[in-house]
Amino acid sequence: DIQMTQSPSSLSASIGDRVTITCRASQSIGTSLNWYQHKPGKAPNLLIYAASSLQGGVPSRFSGSGSGTDFSLTISALQLEDFATYYCQESYRTFGQGTKVEVK
Amino acid sequence: EVQLVESGGGLVEPGGSLRLSCAGSGFRFTDAWLSWVRQAPGKGLEWVGRTKSKGSGETREYAAPVKDRFTISRDDSENTLYLQMNSLKTEDTAMYFCSWNQRPDTLDLWGRGTMVTVSS
Repeated sequence: DIQMTQSPSSLSASIGDRVTITCRASQSIGTSLNWYQHKPGKAPNLLIYAASSLQGGVPSRFSGSGSGTDFSLTISALQLEDFATYYCQESYRTFGQGTKVEVK
Repeated sequence: EVQLVESGGGLVEPGGSLRLSCAGSGFRFTDAWLSWVRQAPGKGLEWVGRTKSKGSGETREYAAPVKDRFTISRDDSENTLYLQMNSLKTEDTAMYFCSWNQRPDTLDLWGRGTMVTVSS
């Protein structure tokens, strides 16, 4: 089975900061990589699919890159509503362990 | 409005059974590929399983921890997805979410989940 490893597991940041989260697959997955945002008590929300495609309705400050085994999610200027936990996912199956973005 | 609403969660003893439901609306349910994902307390998201549409052969896949204990089914006439959970273990305690795979490799729309607690 493919394993997905995210880093860091948590980070503290301020409004306006540029934030980058990385995700590594245990074997090459091409660009079959998705990113989700999850807030407590809410439904998870798809942000990025196929490594770099922005889901409709998602702000353009979110971007994704990478292929093969190494991927990243970048928030160009952190907003208040972006404090949440972020997950990468290989295709429709295995999730990374999550990265919690907290207020500094 | 496109929506998924889960129900059926609750408290069950180890070894017991429970059936979760997920009602979909606002999209063509008959053509939908649908997944279940869970989140144990304080833990991350874990994919549970998926069913394709009848038109795609209604193929079902399961994660290793639930294979042979959980069964996914669907009633397209009722726009409802089910998760039958048997031989429940304490480690199955989690919030269970259903999700619509609008694309084959993505979980595009999610419900807000239903909580399952396995405890004596």
